[in-house]
Amino acid sequence: QVHLVESGGGAVQPGGSLRLSCRASGFTLKTYAMHWVRQAPGEGPEWVGYIWHDGSNTYYADSVKGRFTMSRDNSENMFFLQMTSLRVEDTAVYYCARDPPGSGWALESWGQGTLVTVSS
Amino acid sequence: QSVLTQPPSVSGPPGQGVIISCSGSSSNIGTKTVNWYQQAPGAAPKLLMYKNDQRPSGVPDRFSGSKSGTSASLAISGLQSEDEADYYCAAWDAILNRVIFGGGTKLTVL
Repeated sequence: QVHLVESGGGAVQPGGSLRLSCRASGFTLKTYAMHWVRQAPGEGPEWVGYIWHDGSNTYYADSVKGRFTMSRDNSENMFFLQMTSLRVEDTAVYYCARDPPGSGWALESWGQGTLVTVSS
Repeated sequence: QSVLTQPPSVSGPPGQGVIISCSGSSSNIGTKTVNWYQQAPGAAPKLLMYKNDQRPSGVPDRFSGSKSGTSASLAISGLQSEDEADYYCAAWDAILNRVIFGGGTKLTVL
């Protein structure tokens, strides 16, 4: 059974850093591209970025480029989002999601999300 | 303002059908496939339709998708109370080089 579990969220001051983790189980992570999507309270989903199945390529939303970095450890079935220079507008629930090969960037399975709150 | 445009809300009585539209441009819907997500309150989004008209396993055939030019549609027939949710279209944008989501449509089953 496919399972994605995010962790690492919490409260942080503006300018601070957090590292989110996504643990995958029930499937072989190395087969899938992986995405981070966030959702601010009362808003729709906002795509944050994605990383190829082998980690060789990454794409980021303009709003986080230069501040956020995705990485993955396929041997440990883990996927990460390092967030620096956090801003109030980064406050959101952050989801990891998997993207099967050839799906046309379809986010087939999602975690339950982890809340990041940026506030002074 | 979202790159993909959806109506803010649609509604219909139980048993009837509704269509949710998603309008984009040549750099996204016009050249890439469209995916649809359903999000119930307090839950993570769930993939409802992928590659324009493909239903993931477990999605009832009351849900169907289509695409024409730079627009896509999600049709829901035989409305049920559990269909009340927010619906989002999404696609890759070849110019922006990112996944873009529509602003979402809230479905109310009257």
